[in-house]
Amino acid sequence: DADVTQTPRNRITKTGKRIMLECSQTKGHDRMYWYRQDPGLGLRLIYYSFDVKDINKGEISDGYSVSRQAQAKFSLSLESAIPNQTALYFCATSDPQGDSYNEQFFGPGTRLTVL
Amino acid sequence: AQSVTQPDIHITVSEGASLELRCNYSYGATPYLFWYVQSPGQGLQLLLKYFSGDTLVQGIKGFEAEFKRSQSSFNLRKPSVHWSDAAEYFCAVGSPTGGGKLIFGQGTELSVKP
Repeated sequence: DADVTQTPRNRITKTGKRIMLECSQTKGHDRMYWYRQDPGLGLRLIYYSFDVKDINKGEISDGYSVSRQAQAKFSLSLESAIPNQTALYFCATSDPQGDSYNEQFFGPGTRLTVL
Repeated sequence: AQSVTQPDIHITVSEGASLELRCNYSYGATPYLFWYVQSPGQGLQLLLKYFSGDTLVQGIKGFEAEFKRSQSSFNLRKPSVHWSDAAEYFCAVGSPTGGGKLIFGQGTELSVKP
């Protein structure tokens, strides 16, 4: 079984709709991240969470919100989707201890299309 | 502020040829450096990482990278490319005080000719 899972894997929605992307992990990591990937721009950080009570904005948080329901779950919401939020979204986790510090483990991604 | 530049958006090499993907970073101290690979339709997989010590690091799938502080570079190399290496490659930088956040480069797409 995959350590970091994302649902749905693909989603097509319309402008103005609310949509939630979900991420679950079985790695036992405290830290979780949401990124979006756009061609030619690499991955940009949307939000990150160091534990259930610690949520922080990333580089491009406008138009997004998150919820950390448990250590293992971190959801990303688009309250009113717009076409320029069409992108590939990745969830990642990390464990700040020892040799794995800073190393992030990625889910398979969710491809979101906003019409 | 930290930044990462991958100067080559797309590279094509012949199967069996050597490969070097460039990565330059901007950071005030010694950063943590990573190379990830993204195969089509897949998430990102870590190829290798550098935290400290030997500046030549070995990774999975026959890849290696060399940290050159004087050039602020962390280039990825492979002596002989296989068709299955076709993918997008991302360089990333983190810091001991960055709280685990990574800054990613724009990515380099690698195509492999038969």
